[in-house]
Amino acid sequence: DTGVSQNPRHKITKRGQNVTFRCDPISEHNRLYWYRQTLGQGPEFLTYFQNEAQLEKSRLLSDRFSAERPKGSFSTLEIQRTEQGDSAMYLCASSVGTPETQYFGPGTRLLVL
Amino acid sequence: LAKTTQPISMDSYEGQEVNITCSHNNIATNDYITWYQQFPSQGPRFIIQGYKTKVTNEVASLFIPADRKSSTLSLPRVSLSDTAVYYCLLYNQGGKLIFGQGTELSVKP
Repeated sequence: DTGVSQNPRHKITKRGQNVTFRCDPISEHNRLYWYRQTLGQGPEFLTYFQNEAQLEKSRLLSDRFSAERPKGSFSTLEIQRTEQGDSAMYLCASSVGTPETQYFGPGTRLLVL
Repeated sequence: LAKTTQPISMDSYEGQEVNITCSHNNIATNDYITWYQQFPSQGPRFIIQGYKTKVTNEVASLFIPADRKSSTLSLPRVSLSDTAVYYCLLYNQGGKLIFGQGTELSVKP
């Protein structure tokens, strides 16, 4: 399977714990996006990388959130001191070229107890 | 805020053609019209994208009138497995996607 992969697929954690999610984009895709989706809503943009450079961050990305893409390949999204409001599906997408099409991974579902 | 308006829900029956219309009165010159499909607990799946006139692929057709203020996604002969949420987005290449609430399509036997 050469699509976008995300790990883990599910994560249950206690409030106050740190969690880290990984996204592996489609090979050679230089753009990588993170989105968050809560029940009944469309995905909301969090942040965007072109290669290893983080080009845009949403206001939704509070100080407790950090994302990296150290070698321009895979990316990690870390949430520190999780809160119950962080419970959501975290989606990763990657793209390349013009016109651009973003391809999404299966998501990581986070539940904060 | 999403720049598109689409029906919240639609019902159809197996074998019918389904047309979902999306309004985007403030579309910009550089915007492409993009549609995604999403099943529960899965990431959105790209369906089709267009700039003007008509685009067709193996899954759907996208009709865009000359003024580009609306567009229609056409799904031929739907099946039960087409039950999903369909999102219409305006996409200015090289940036974030802004999703609305989408159209929840229910296909009945």
